[in-house]
Amino acid sequence: NAGVTQTPKFRVLKTGQSMTLLCAQDMNHEYMYWYRQDPGMGLRLIHYSVGEGTTAKGEVPDGYNVSRLKKQNFLLGLESAAPSQTSVYFCASSIPDQRTEAFFGQGTRLTVV
Amino acid sequence: DAKTTQPNSMESNEEEPVHLPCNHSTISGTDYIHWYRQLPSQGPEYVIHGLTSNVNNRMASLAIAEDRKSSTLILHRATLRDAAVYYCILRGWGSNDYKLSFGAGTTVTVRA
Repeated sequence: NAGVTQTPKFRVLKTGQSMTLLCAQDMNHEYMYWYRQDPGMGLRLIHYSVGEGTTAKGEVPDGYNVSRLKKQNFLLGLESAAPSQTSVYFCASSIPDQRTEAFFGQGTRLTVV
Repeated sequence: DAKTTQPNSMESNEEEPVHLPCNHSTISGTDYIHWYRQLPSQGPEYVIHGLTSNVNNRMASLAIAEDRKSSTLILHRATLRDAAVYYCILRGWGSNDYKLSFGAGTTVTVRA
């Protein structure tokens, strides 16, 4: 199994450009999450989804949009990138059971210049 | 969300045990204690979790205090590959609590 796959792994954007980060999981998980991690800090939740067609805001949702049209995919969009969105982005997935583990992707390193 | 408190950093010598403490005084009865670690330039990975009883797996042991207000992750023989940031996270029941809330974690340095 591939687990959680993030595309792309690296990207450089100019201020004002838009882009979409793709997260795909092959474990049939209901829940999916997008986090960002700034240098020296822990992960902060941007948005999450509890099922196909549903999304919800996390701690730091401003400047981002998400969509979950298919159960296996969770898309994170930046409509107008800003330098403050330079970060490493992680996607994760899990089932709705606190006794189980969540699985994380390897991250997307985004630089906005 | 119930919060956890961890030391910022800990150092250990290779092949010695490492005890990583975590305080969670506001834990609720249905919260599971999870530990994840993040190796350099990688995504977090699951280490271990427990509710009340001590737990062991191939990676580590988790010792949970009787009142559940604190816990300790034990790496029995640290190796250089165990150098990482370790996160202690409470995971409750319900759609709002399944998500993982990360603090700053404990940065573990292993000396050769």
